[in-house]
Amino acid sequence: AQKITQTQPGMFVQEKEAVTLDCTYDTSDQSYGLFWYKQPSSGEMIFLIYQGSYDEQNATEGRYSLNFQKARKSANLVISASQLGDSAMYFCAMREPYYNTDKLIFGTGTRLQVFP
Amino acid sequence: DAMVIQNPRYQVTQFGKPVTLSCSQTLNHNVMYWYQQKSSQAPKLLFHYYDKDFNNEADTPDNFQSRRPNTSFCFLDIRSPGLGDAAMYLCATSRDWGRPNTEAFFGQGTRLTVV
Repeated sequence: AQKITQTQPGMFVQEKEAVTLDCTYDTSDQSYGLFWYKQPSSGEMIFLIYQGSYDEQNATEGRYSLNFQKARKSANLVISASQLGDSAMYFCAMREPYYNTDKLIFGTGTRLQVFP
Repeated sequence: DAMVIQNPRYQVTQFGKPVTLSCSQTLNHNVMYWYQQKSSQAPKLLFHYYDKDFNNEADTPDNFQSRRPNTSFCFLDIRSPGLGDAAMYLCATSRDWGRPNTEAFFGQGTRLTVV
């Protein structure tokens, strides 16, 4: 069963507009972490933002914020004031620590294209 | 300064010829991951280490093996590469769960070509 679901294969947004990238997840654990990574065409994986399962407030990092709805098991990324350099693949990921294991698994990704 | 270093950046190997990819880290992280990423796809977890404990994903082919001789180094061995194993291989490290800054740090990847 898919643990991380990103239903938007591609998204377009105009420069300076906000965009929301969707992510839903599935876990029975109480303790887990949710991450968003950006992967430009160069291939590097760039960490953007983190939300812990026990965090009560939504995470924010500059222009990035995470809309965390625990009951709905969603962790959507909001990018405010999009820039041309935001064009990239965006991956949602979940970390599930359990005894001597500590998996980090990724969703299928969303390709974001920002146009002038 | 690079904190997770993968060597080589590009590797060409012959069909069926064993190949080893390496990853080193200067972060002293106890968790290390190996991912396979094919073009326009998500990184697929192959295995990970929690300290010395090795955890294999159920769908990782037996053709893929790994070694972690110490905290700093980790190797991915492909015993008999097939054309379908051509991909980018990503190594990542992370701190213990529950400590600050629990994000994974990625290397630049090794792009494997099988001819």
